[in-house]
Amino acid sequence: GENVEQHPSTLSVQEGDSAVIKCTYSDSASNYFPWYKQELGKRPQLIIDIRSNVGEKKDQRIAVTLNKTAKHFSLHITETQPEDSAVYFCAASIVTEKYGNKLVFGAGTILRVKS
Amino acid sequence: DTAVSQTPKYLVTQMGNDKSIKCEQNLGHDTMYWYKQDSKKFLKIMFSYNNKELIINETVPNRFSPKSPDKAHLNLHINSLELGDSAVYFCASSQGFAEFLSGANVLTFGAGSRLTVL
Repeated sequence: GENVEQHPSTLSVQEGDSAVIKCTYSDSASNYFPWYKQELGKRPQLIIDIRSNVGEKKDQRIAVTLNKTAKHFSLHITETQPEDSAVYFCAASIVTEKYGNKLVFGAGTILRVKS
Repeated sequence: DTAVSQTPKYLVTQMGNDKSIKCEQNLGHDTMYWYKQDSKKFLKIMFSYNNKELIINETVPNRFSPKSPDKAHLNLHINSLELGDSAVYFCASSQGFAEFLSGANVLTFGAGSRLTVL
C-alpha cells in the first residue's frame, strides 16, 4: 500500500515541553523516512531523516526513532521553543511496481508551542 | 542564490484560463518534481522527471502537462483551469536517479506558487 498515516493532526505544547509525532506506513520495503518542517507560508524543509538500517537518529533537540517490525516511526522534539511552531510532515519511500521508489507524505501535524 | 526557484509566487486567474508555472534549480540535480498542497495541507506528488524524462505521473487530469526542456527546468502548464485547481504548487528537486532507486529522495523545495482560480 501507499498509505502513510500521521498523528496527531494538531498538537499544542507548552514551551519547554516535549512533542512527539507518530507515523505508520504499510510497505515493508520502505527504507527511507524523512521529516519535513513547513513554517507558515514557507517551503517544506528537511529537518532529519533516517534509513531502515538505523533504529534512532538524533540531531540536537530533534530525534527520530524507527520500529521496522511495527512499521512506525516518530519525531521527538525536546525543550520546544516558539520557533518550533510549524507543520511537520513525515514521509516514507514506497516501492511501486510502476515507478520504483517514490516518497509518500503523511497528512501533516500542526505543532503550536505556547510561550 | 536560490537553489530551487519557481515563478510566479502568486497567480490569480479566472476559470477556463490556461496558465504556466516555471521552475528552475541550480543544484545540479537530475530529478525534479511537482507537488500540490491543497487547503488541508496535504502534500501530493504530481509528476517527477529524471534528466528530462518523465518517471512519475500520478493520477492528475490531462489538463496538467509538465515540460522539462533540460534537467534544470521543469515547468507546469495547466489548461482550462477549474476552481479545484486552487492550491499551492511546489517544485522540488533531488540529487539523482541512483538516490531515487534507493528511495533516499532528499528533496529541496521551491518557495511555492499559490494559484487561486476565481
